[in-house]
Formats: sequence, structure tokens, C-alpha cells
Amino acid sequence: QLVLTQSPSASASLGASVKLTCTLTSGHSSNVIAWHQQQPEKGPRYLMRFNSDGSHTKGDGIPDRFSGSSSGAERYLTISSLQSEDEADYYCQTWGTGNQGVFGGGTKLTVL
Amino acid sequence: EVQLVESGGGLVQPGGSLRLSCVASGFRFSSYWMHWVRQAPGKGLVWVSLISSDGSNINYADSVKGRFTISRDNAKNTLNLQMSSLRAEDTAVYYCARDYWGIADYWGQGTLVTVSS
Repeated sequence: QLVLTQSPSASASLGASVKLTCTLTSGHSSNVIAWHQQQPEKGPRYLMRFNSDGSHTKGDGIPDRFSGSSSGAERYLTISSLQSEDEADYYCQTWGTGNQGVFGGGTKLTVL
Repeated sequence: EVQLVESGGGLVQPGGSLRLSCVASGFRFSSYWMHWVRQAPGKGLVWVSLISSDGSNINYADSVKGRFTISRDNAKNTLNLQMSSLRAEDTAVYYCARDYWGIADYWGQGTLVTVSS
């Protein structure tokens, strides 16, 4: 069964960079994944889709500070030049086996 | 501009039913598959259901299979979720989202469903 694993929390200082990780279950390392941001008391917002060839497609208006990368079964979301409004929950998502959608548990990012 | 606006949430007793709707605008609704995703209070996002652009292909999470029914009316640009046999654990904000190859690429603002006596 496909599972996406995320660290529950991360923190970094204002102006710094942070790299969030989403790990796919063994055997599913080629899955396309997406990253979503959820600011406090708001609905989720699509950030980008990360394709198996290493390319990524960003959502409307997503700044260049947000970028994606991968290594094996791990998918990364890097946020550079952290701003206060980047403090949010970040979720990865994919389409799993058994024709069901899958979300990671989310990472709560604190900007210090 | 893509907009998704959910409605229909509210307080319902355990065992009861509720119908959620999501009105879409700003894109050709009839060309896109659509998701429902939920989020219990203080918890993460959980995928609920997906429907194909013409309604012929439907998938459900195991937790709602047999109790929830997803449907759509392309003439009215509306996505629906009929929920029955509701349980306390169905309490959540329900979001509709547009699909792009299995990924949600636009989200609504959500509607809260509370199942409680």
C-alpha cells in the first residue's frame, strides 16, 4: 500500500531556507506527487506538481522561492528566503494503488 | 479565474444524511475530473472521492465506500457529495478540488460538516 511519510514539524529562521521531505513507500518511487500549502485557518493551496522526470509544474502565482527536487523515493520542497506568510502546513499528495488518493500527514513549518 | 465554492455543510445527527455541493467557475467544468477531500478538526487532509469528467468513473476511500455518493451536473457546473449513515468521525471540513492527473490543482474554501447528537 502506498504511503507518503512527512516529518510532523520543521522550523527555520526568517530569510533562511528550509527543505521539507516527503518519502514514498518502497516500490513507488516513480510516482508523481504534488505539494500543497495550508496557511492557518485557510483552505489548501496547490504549490506544484513534481514529475518523475524531475520537472515540476507550479500553481498560479507561486513565487520562485518555492522549488522541488527528488532523490530516489524522496521528494523535497525547498522554500528559500523564508517569509512570515510561509508559516503553514505543507502536504504532499499522490495517486495511489487501488485507485485512491493519498496525502502525507503534513509538516507544520514554523518561521522563527 | 478558477473558483470552487462549497456549500451544504452543517450539523447533523449520527446516522443522518447531508448533501454537499460545489459550484465551479472559471474553467470548463465538464472537461475535468473532480475530488472531494476532507479535514477533521486539527488533523491532516484525507482524500474522499474522485469522479471523472463525464461521471462514468468513480473512486472512493474505503472509509466512506457504501455511505457516500459522488455525482456531478455538468450543465450546472456542480459537483455533489451525498453523505448518509453519518458518523462522528465524518466530522470535518470538506473541500472540493479540481483534478489534474490525480493531483488536486485548485481547491475550494471548504464547508464544515459536524456529526453530533
